[in-house]
Amino acid sequence: QVQLQQSGPGLVKPSQTLSLTCAISGDSVSSKSAAWNWIRQSPSRGLEWLGRTYYRSKWYNDYAPSVKSRITINPDTSKNQFSLQLKSVTPEDTAVYYCAKSGGWIEGDWGQGTLVTVSS
Amino acid sequence: QSVVTQPPSASGTPGQRITISCSGSSSNIGRDNVNWYQQVPGTAPKLLIYTNNQRPSGVPDRFSGSKSGTSASLAISGLQSEDEADYYCAVWDGSLNGWVFGGGTKLTVL
Repeated sequence: QVQLQQSGPGLVKPSQTLSLTCAISGDSVSSKSAAWNWIRQSPSRGLEWLGRTYYRSKWYNDYAPSVKSRITINPDTSKNQFSLQLKSVTPEDTAVYYCAKSGGWIEGDWGQGTLVTVSS
Repeated sequence: QSVVTQPPSASGTPGQRITISCSGSSSNIGRDNVNWYQQVPGTAPKLLIYTNNQRPSGVPDRFSGSKSGTSASLAISGLQSEDEADYYCAVWDGSLNGWVFGGGTKLTVL
């Protein structure tokens, strides 16, 4: 059973960088059959996939076009976790952020969700 | 605006059978498998159906999925009050190179 534990601040000021971490237990961030995703949910945008990182002999990233210029997802093999950084945030980035594992589909293993509010 | 489209709401009475549609295009549903999630407000989405019509362990067989062309459907038979939730379809989009979600369907059990 994979467990994903999210951590990070719930309040970020406009123009600053949103940073969240997802710690993995029961699997490896370096798994060659999994990808590790960030997804957010807001009333205005619904569920929105932001991007993923995965290892297939080397590390790859895919990012949603809507955030591609502002997002970085990094694996941390020493801590078996992965992180999200979203730069230059605005109030539009206020949402519940989830991490989730995917293989052939986004699986049932999601983090607990973190409400991030962008406000001064 | 989502690239895959769901009706915003659906309703039914206990015991009834309802379906929720998910409409896409050749770059997503037309070329890849559809997955369905159930979300109770305040909790993370729960995987309900994967690879068009497969149920994870623990999901009742009242829930079923199907896909044809660029559309997919989730069917719930023997509707129960506990089925009241939001339902989302999700699929990989080859043009966007990412996962896309439907806008969600709020199911009300009358």
